[in-house]
Amino acid sequence: NAGVTQTPKFRILKIGQSMTLQCTQDMNHNYMYWYRQDPGMGLKLIYYSVGAGITDKGEVPNGYNVSRSTTEDFPLRLELAAPSQTSVYFCASSYSLGAGPTPNSQETQYFGPGTRLLVL
Amino acid sequence: GQNIDQPTEMTATEGAIVQINCTYQTSGFNGLFWYQQHAGEAPTFLSYNVLDGLEEKGRFSSFLSRSKGYSYLLLKELQMKDSASYLCAVRNNAGKSTFGDGTTLTVKP
Repeated sequence: NAGVTQTPKFRILKIGQSMTLQCTQDMNHNYMYWYRQDPGMGLKLIYYSVGAGITDKGEVPNGYNVSRSTTEDFPLRLELAAPSQTSVYFCASSYSLGAGPTPNSQETQYFGPGTRLLVL
Repeated sequence: GQNIDQPTEMTATEGAIVQINCTYQTSGFNGLFWYQQHAGEAPTFLSYNVLDGLEEKGRFSSFLSRSKGYSYLLLKELQMKDSASYLCAVRNNAGKSTFGDGTTLTVKP
């Protein structure tokens, strides 16, 4: 298994440009997440999805959009890039609660390698 | 909502034991995770507690008290490679996880 893959690894955007961060997982996980991590800080949840066709807002959704048309893919869209969106973006996936193989530690989130985004 | 607190930085000596604390406030608690994150890398899973008590995995142990909203991660026989950020995360019944800001551990020779 490749696990969780993200593209691109690094991107520079100009203010007002748009882009899509790609995320794919091959573990057949129902749950997928997008986080951003600013320097010296923890992870802030942007959006998450509990299955194909279902998405919900996290702590910091403003300026972002997501879609979940398949179990495997969960792209994150930035419509009008702003300097405040300069960050490292991590995608993650996990089994549904109680659906993972025992022991329960299999319900942990598996993270992609991250996308570093710089908005100038 | 959920609120997670952990110390910002800790320093310890190679071969020693260090305990990293995490306190939390949440509704609908459904598990507490500890992740390790080396600089420039993604977080990786260390341990998981959903019931009170101690979970041991080699040099790493994690403890949970749900009534006190408290957990700690215990690292034994510290090695230089353990220098990293340690993230405490609390999951609720909807499957959402909230992360603390992380504790940067520096292991010195």
